[in-house]
Amino acid sequence: AQSVTQLDSHVSVSEGTPVLLRCNYSSSYSPSLFWYVQHPNKGLQLLLKYTSAATLVKGINGFEAEFKKSETSFHLTKPSAHMSDAAEYFCVVSAGGTSYGKLTFGQGTILTVHP
Amino acid sequence: EPEVTQTPSHQVTQMGQEVILRCVPISNHLYFYWYRQILGQKVEFLVSFYNNEISEKSEIFDDQFSVERPDGSNFTLKIRSTKLEDSAMYFCASSRDGVSGNTIYFGEGSWLTVV
Repeated sequence: AQSVTQLDSHVSVSEGTPVLLRCNYSSSYSPSLFWYVQHPNKGLQLLLKYTSAATLVKGINGFEAEFKKSETSFHLTKPSAHMSDAAEYFCVVSAGGTSYGKLTFGQGTILTVHP
Repeated sequence: EPEVTQTPSHQVTQMGQEVILRCVPISNHLYFYWYRQILGQKVEFLVSFYNNEISEKSEIFDDQFSVERPDGSNFTLKIRSTKLEDSAMYFCASSRDGVSGNTIYFGEGSWLTVV
């Protein structure tokens, strides 16, 4: 079975400063990992995905995540926060194989960006 | 960008009533999913659907739930006799294939309130 732990329920940053949202995962095989973002009253939008290619994954809107197998981590970063980044972020792992679409979500991290 | 669309966006229903939540997946996608998020809890997998049959379901997806693809475009979730604990946001999702590397696209969700 797979699981995901997002280490912070809330993160607050100032506009223009770096963003770090932390995620640890547990999986019995080589995982597929994702970060999704949910803006208020919007659906879940895929930011980026890791599927056993390059360990540093670039996503939309300047976000990146690095897969570290030794640390079982998949932290999300952005060099400079923008007000529009304020949203809830979900780290997600796939069950893989024929259960690829069976996703396990973390509890979410709410990102607040101050002017 | 292609979208998964869901209707209704909000529904209030009385306990014991039947509810149908509708989804239009992206047109060339073959795999369909329902997830739900009870307020304050994680997003949870309910069911995956491929080739007109359920391919996987969670323990949450008991006999009161059913899914159907009644025509070439819609994908529905039916809750036969709603309970208070069915109050949640229900997300529909779809992917072109069910294999690693594919992006799973989510809709904006349907808020269901059971009173």
